[in-house]
Amino acid sequence: GAGVSQSPRYKVAKRGQDVALRCDPISGHVSLFWYQQALGQGPEFLTYFQNEAQLDKSGLPSDRFFAERPEGSVSTLKIQRTQQEDSAVYLCASSLVGLGGEQYFGPGTRLTVT
Amino acid sequence: GESVGLHLPTLSVQEGDNSIINCAYSNSASDYFIWYKQESGKGPQFIIDIRSNMDKRQGQRVTVLLNKTVKHLSLQIAATQPGDSAVYFCALKGSGSARQLTFGSGTQLTVLP
Repeated sequence: GAGVSQSPRYKVAKRGQDVALRCDPISGHVSLFWYQQALGQGPEFLTYFQNEAQLDKSGLPSDRFFAERPEGSVSTLKIQRTQQEDSAVYLCASSLVGLGGEQYFGPGTRLTVT
Repeated sequence: GESVGLHLPTLSVQEGDNSIINCAYSNSASDYFIWYKQESGKGPQFIIDIRSNMDKRQGQRVTVLLNKTVKHLSLQIAATQPGDSAVYFCALKGSGSARQLTFGSGTQLTVLP
């Protein structure tokens, strides 16, 4: 079956531009997570959805970061007025159950801000 | 807060030898631990997990050991193969409502021919 997919796989943005990153979770997965992975580091939690509800956004680094999952399936991570420090790989993961369960990761979107 | 560390950033082993990757954690309330493998250009891939009520769990060619007394986790890979070359992360489930994963910084495993 299809795994978690993300698009685009690569994105280059000029500083100050807005970007939107898409995540298609595994069908039927209740939970969806966004992580940010800087070069040479482990992923760091950004935000979590259970169905369409955003239950935790404590990891979002600033109010320039915004995530949504309006129909409880596809999610979009939006970054406004991108800055160089936003350059990273953005990973999406989904899991079947609400508060536990194995998280399946997508391939990530590599964002480079120039 | 929670933090996860690794003892070595890189590890090189000969093909066929056993590999041991170590991880230390600070949050004694963590009850679920996972090892992930990440190949270049890909997302992390689940390898094996262990709950805090266990001290050892075995999979296919992999074993995870958990020592809660010293807050230490290790991943053992038997008969390491070239396809095992990747970055390995330990992660723990947080105590927050989201149960998000907290990752270590990773160990780059290189398998030498």
